[in-house]
Amino acid sequence: GNSVTQMEGPVTLSEEAFLTINCTYTATGYPSLFWYVQYPGEGLQLLLKATKADDKGSNKGFEATYRKETTSFHLEKGSVQVSDSAVYFCALSDRGNTGKLIFGQGTTLQVKP
Amino acid sequence: ETGVTQTPRHLVMGMTNKKSLKCEQHLGHNAMYWYKQSAKKPLELMFVYNFKEQTENNSVPSRFSPECPNSSHLFLHLHTLQPEDSALYLCASSQDNRQGNTEAFFGQGTRLTVV
Repeated sequence: GNSVTQMEGPVTLSEEAFLTINCTYTATGYPSLFWYVQYPGEGLQLLLKATKADDKGSNKGFEATYRKETTSFHLEKGSVQVSDSAVYFCALSDRGNTGKLIFGQGTTLQVKP
Repeated sequence: ETGVTQTPRHLVMGMTNKKSLKCEQHLGHNAMYWYKQSAKKPLELMFVYNFKEQTENNSVPSRFSPECPNSSHLFLHLHTLQPEDSALYLCASSQDNRQGNTEAFFGQGTRLTVV
């Protein structure tokens, strides 16, 4: 079945460091891919998405490219801030099957001043 | 404001109580979902409703009973819960176009503690 695997956390970085959170997926067909972010005490918010191979999603300085050949959707940011501290979830949308989202286990990011 | 509102935000209940969680979306979506988020576990999809019809039940125990009276409202009725049911319960909605390229919008969740 379809699944998403994220790198284990927590990831601890200093402010202005470069961020990469790895995400790989297994899917039949051509899913859409998403990154969601969850700040403490909140629900999930969409950060960015890509709907087909080679698409790049971007938002708030974060980027991720849909790589079909490596079945990956790694999240990157060039310079993180303390306010980026949160839990990040990679997800895929199961086309043609209610459109439900399948999530990875989440990666906690801690950014220190 | 995400357009998806969940109440209450926090709930403490005993194992013999009956309570309900409410979710309301103002986005005109036709699909709604309940997810369970436990500490150190992946998000678990519990139920899916499309056009008010339940289309998925992921082997959820019968002590959780969903209800979707219309496409804007979703409830989760709780009875005789166990302490291990303590978690953050998240509601989400999306426009189900069977192409899977529209994102889900989440509420802020209900933090449930079973004592």
